[in-house]
Amino acid sequence: EDKVVQSPLSLVVHEGDTVTLNCSYEVTNFRSLLWYKQEKKAPTFLFMLTSSGIEKKSGRLSSILDKKELFSILNITATQTGDSAVYLCAVYRFKAAGNKLTFGGGTRVLVKP
Amino acid sequence: NAGVTQTPKFRVLKTGQSMTLLCAQDMNHEYMYWYRQDPGMGLRLIHYSVGEGTTAKGEVPDGYNVSRLKKQNFLLGLESAAPSQTSVYFCASSSRPYEQYFGPGTRLTVT
Repeated sequence: EDKVVQSPLSLVVHEGDTVTLNCSYEVTNFRSLLWYKQEKKAPTFLFMLTSSGIEKKSGRLSSILDKKELFSILNITATQTGDSAVYLCAVYRFKAAGNKLTFGGGTRVLVKP
Repeated sequence: NAGVTQTPKFRVLKTGQSMTLLCAQDMNHEYMYWYRQDPGMGLRLIHYSVGEGTTAKGEVPDGYNVSRLKKQNFLLGLESAAPSQTSVYFCASSSRPYEQYFGPGTRLTVT
């Protein structure tokens, strides 16, 4: 059975801190790992990672994949209150019927002023 | 361009009642999905569709039915609601796997 596990479940930081979120996976026919940000409503796409060791960056957010150890991390530097959200990772399997994604349970991040 | 819309936004049902959630997308996407989200459990796939007239089961299909009579619409039905179906329901659509566009969600409470 496919598993996607995120840690920690939640964390509280202050503005300016750096946050590191973890996502580990056990899936057959792994193809890509995706990160989403979910504020009050719908999740929005952040990154897709397919190759090991190549960092993806978008402003203060960055992410990297390790396909040997089967995990990914999402870093947020110089956090702001607007970064408060639930961060979801999801795995896409090669030739997955219907382009299905398997999601982890999410990490809730609260950034205090 | 509205993206993905869901109707209704909120609903309270009594055990045993039925209802239908409507999802509509205007992006001409082939793939559509229904998820439920419960605290600490992320998004779990209920049913999905790879095109008009097709449906398939996801991880947690029991107690739900779906229909995709038109490409732009994906309906989720609860025939006999149970308290365990209290959740937030999200619809999504995509043309590629990493670009799933999500609707705003429907908060359903079953008492």
